[in-house]
Amino acid sequence: AQSVTQLDSQVPVFEEAPVELRCNYSSSVSVYLFWYVQYPNQGLQLLLKYLSGSTLVKGINGFEAEFNKSQTSFHLRKPSVHISDTAEYFCAVTRSGGYQKVTFGTGTKLQVIP
Amino acid sequence: EAGVTQSPTHLIKTRGQQATLRCSPISGHTSVYWYQQALGLGLQFLLWYDEGEERNRGNFPPRFSGRQFPNYSSELNVNALELEDSALYLCASSLGGQGGEKLFFGSGTQLSVL
Repeated sequence: AQSVTQLDSQVPVFEEAPVELRCNYSSSVSVYLFWYVQYPNQGLQLLLKYLSGSTLVKGINGFEAEFNKSQTSFHLRKPSVHISDTAEYFCAVTRSGGYQKVTFGTGTKLQVIP
Repeated sequence: EAGVTQSPTHLIKTRGQQATLRCSPISGHTSVYWYQQALGLGLQFLLWYDEGEERNRGNFPPRFSGRQFPNYSSELNVNALELEDSALYLCASSLGGQGGEKLFFGSGTQLSVL
């Protein structure tokens, strides 16, 4: 079974500073990886996903993530954060193939400080 | 286009009662997923329905059950409620379940068990 670990439960960062949210996964087979964001009082929405191909994936709102198979990581980055990026971010993994459940991490709360 | 809708928004029950939560997917989506979001635990996968069939199930006791109707809407039933069932229950939908699909989430039903 696959699993995903988000070691940082909270990450404070000043506005316009860069940020990296860490995600490590565990799986013995090929995986698909995702980052979802949950803004306050809203449902989760997809930021970006990695299925195959280029290991650098660009998503919405200026976020990007890099798939690193050797380190089993899929860290999320943004070069300059805004107040509006304050939200909870969830990393998720699923095995490639049909009807494989999507497993989510425990989430990282990004607090952007003005 | 309407997104994923869940009802009710809030539900208060007492221990031992039954709860029924409902979800309407985005038009054209055949897959419906249920997740439990308890404080600090991230999203825990509950159930996955596609084309009326249960496709995958998480590590929850049998008192968590559900079904999907011919119009692809779904309901989640929780019998013999326990205090620890208090959580936000999220429904998501997608176009089928062949792997890597984007999940579209509803805003959830907040279940409180007293």
